[in-house]
Amino acid sequence: DIQMTQSPSSLSASVGDKVSITCRASQSINSYLHWYQQKPGKAPKLLIYAASSLQSGVPSRFSGSGSGTDFTLTINSLQPEDFATYYCQQSYSTWTFGQGTKVEIK
Amino acid sequence: QVQLVESGGGVVQPGGSLRLSCAVSGFTFSNYVMHWVRQAPGKGLEWVASIRYDGSSKDYADSVKGRFIISRDNSKSTLYVQMSSLRAEDTAIYYCAKDPGSSWYGVADWGQGTLVIVSS
Repeated sequence: DIQMTQSPSSLSASVGDKVSITCRASQSINSYLHWYQQKPGKAPKLLIYAASSLQSGVPSRFSGSGSGTDFTLTINSLQPEDFATYYCQQSYSTWTFGQGTKVEIK
Repeated sequence: QVQLVESGGGVVQPGGSLRLSCAVSGFTFSNYVMHWVRQAPGKGLEWVASIRYDGSSKDYADSVKGRFIISRDNSKSTLYVQMSSLRAEDTAIYYCAKDPGSSWYGVADWGQGTLVIVSS
């Protein structure tokens, strides 16, 4: 199985900050990498697919980059509703997810 | 709009069995691969199993292989997972998910989840 490693596991930030989360795959996954936001008690919500494509309806302050093994999710100008846990997921082979990054209010 | 509604969760003793269902609407169920994904309390997401359009091919995570059986009834637009020999580590919210149709896309359609607690 392809292992996905996210960093950091948690971070504290303020409204208006720029935040970056990284995800590393244990082998090359081309651009078959997706990012999700999850809030307590809710199902994951797709933010970014294919490493850098913004899902319909998702605010443009979310962006993704990377290919191969290293990927980044960036949130520009963090908003109150963005405090949540974020997961990366690869679909190059059998789905695997990163362990999550919790974005908390500083 | 696409809807996926899981049911069947509950409390079960270790070694017991449980069947979860996922009733779908808003798309042609028989055209899509379907998945179960779970999330243990306070933990991350784990893919559990998938089943092809007609049920002819099924894949399982090593953690559930030999204990869980995924199935579908296309006439009822319903996905199932039969869970047996349950262990404490199977305690989780179980989500059904609609495959995006191509590996290029992420999973946009999830159910709300159903909670399974394995405890004596």
